[in-house]
Amino acid sequence: EPEVTQTPSHQVTQMGQEVILRCVPISNHLYFYWYRQILGQKVEFLVSFYNNEISEKSEIFDDQFSVERPDGSNFTLKIRSTKLEDSAMYFCASTQGPPIYEQYFGPGTRLTVT
Amino acid sequence: AQSVTQPDIHITVSEGASLELRCNYSYGATPYLFWYVQSPGQGLQLLLKYFSGDTLVQGIKGFEAEFKRSQSSFNLRKPSVHWSDAAEYFCAVGRMNTGFQKLVFGTGTRLLVSP
Repeated sequence: EPEVTQTPSHQVTQMGQEVILRCVPISNHLYFYWYRQILGQKVEFLVSFYNNEISEKSEIFDDQFSVERPDGSNFTLKIRSTKLEDSAMYFCASTQGPPIYEQYFGPGTRLTVT
Repeated sequence: AQSVTQPDIHITVSEGASLELRCNYSYGATPYLFWYVQSPGQGLQLLLKYFSGDTLVQGIKGFEAEFKRSQSSFNLRKPSVHWSDAAEYFCAVGRMNTGFQKLVFGTGTRLLVSP
C-alpha cells in the first residue's frame, strides 16, 4: 500500500541553524500539508500546498518557515533559523483532493533544537 | 473558528471490555470528521471518517463512530478492546477551503488497556 515517507526520522540541531525536513507524498496525491506536534500537545496545522503554491498557512508558519516541492516527488519544510520552541514532531500529509478528502500522514520527523 | 474537544485525557479499559471515546466539535457548517490513532513513536493512522450519509461509520480494526449533529459529537466505539489498541486517539474536523482540508485536531485521548 502506498505511504507517505519522511526523512530523517530524528534531527538534532543547534539553535539558529537551518534545517530541512523532507517528505515524499503518495505519488498520485496533489495536496500536501505540514503539521507539527509539540510533545504532549495536540497536532497543529502549519501549511497547505497545491500546484506549487501555498494555499493556506497558520500563524505559526512565519517568515522562518518555507515549503517547496523541488521535483515531482519531494516536499520539503525549511526552518531558516531554528529556535528552542521549534522542537516538535513534524508530520507531512497528502491527499488526492476532492472528492477524496482523507489525509495520509507520514511517520513524522522529530526535531530537537538544543 | 472550528474546534474539537476530547474531554478525556486518559482512559483505562480492561481487555475485552467495550470502549467509547468522546469527541465534540464546533463548526459552522457540515463537518468532515475523522478519527486517527497514534501508537508510540508512530505517525497518525486514519481509523475512520464521516463526510455525509449514514451517521454510523465503520472503520478499520473493528472501530466505529456515530455522528450526532444535535449533540455536535462524533464518539468512537469498539465493542471489545484488545491490548494492541493501547495508543493515543485523535478526533479531527476538516474545514474546506477552496478544495483544501485543513484538519483541526483535539488534544487526544490516551487509551490504556489493562489485562
